[in-house]
Amino acid sequence: SQTIHQWPATLVQPVGSPLSLECTVEGTSNPNLYWYRQAAGRGLQLLFYSVGIGQISSEVPQNLSASRPQDRQFILSSKKLLLSDSGFYLCAWSGRGEEAFFGQGTRLTVV
Amino acid sequence: GESVGLHLPTLSVQEGDNSIINCAYSNSASDYFIWYKQESGKGPQFIIDIRSNMDKRQGQRVTVLLNKTVKHLSLQIAATQPGDSAVYFCAESVYGQNFVFGPGTRLSVLP
Repeated sequence: SQTIHQWPATLVQPVGSPLSLECTVEGTSNPNLYWYRQAAGRGLQLLFYSVGIGQISSEVPQNLSASRPQDRQFILSSKKLLLSDSGFYLCAWSGRGEEAFFGQGTRLTVV
Repeated sequence: GESVGLHLPTLSVQEGDNSIINCAYSNSASDYFIWYKQESGKGPQFIIDIRSNMDKRQGQRVTVLLNKTVKHLSLQIAATQPGDSAVYFCAESVYGQNFVFGPGTRLSVLP
C-alpha cells in the first residue's frame, strides 16, 4: 500500500534561518506531488506541485522553493525564513486522475 | 486561487440531524472533485469524490452533489455524529492534477 512520510512534525526556527522540509512517498511510481500551506484557522494554499522529477510549478510567488530530486521525494526549502512563513505545511501525493493523499503535516513556527 | 485570507465559516448542527456543507468552485474546466475532512493538527483525509460526468454520488452516510451549471458542490452528512466535527474542504482539479481547495467550513456538532 502507498504511504506518505513528512517530517519533522513540528519545527521552531529563528527569522533568517534556512528551512528544509522533506516528504517521501512509498508504494507508487511517478506520483503527482504537492506542497500546501495552511495558516491557523484558514484554508489550504497550494504552494508547489510537481508531475515529475525536476518539474516544479509554483502557484504563489514567495520566499520558498521546492525541489524533486527523486521520483518520490519532494523538498520544500527557504534560504531565509520570514515571520510570515509560519504555518502548517502539508505534503500530498496523487496518482493520475485520483484523489490526493496527505501527510500528517509540519507545524512551522518562525520566531 | 484559494481564499487564503478568509476565516473559516462555521456550521453548527444538532447531533442526529443532517448536515449540508456547500462549496463554490471556480474553474469550469475542473472535472474531478473531492471532499476532505480535516481534524485539528492533522492532514486532510479523503471522504468522497465525484467526477464531472456525474451529479450525485453516495457513500456511507455521505452524499456529494455536483451542479456544473452553477459550479456548486455540496456534501451531505446524514445523522451527524460528534466524530463528524472537523473542518471540511472541497477540492477541484483538472485531470486529477493541481488540486485547488476551497476555503473550508468548520462543522460543529452540538450534543
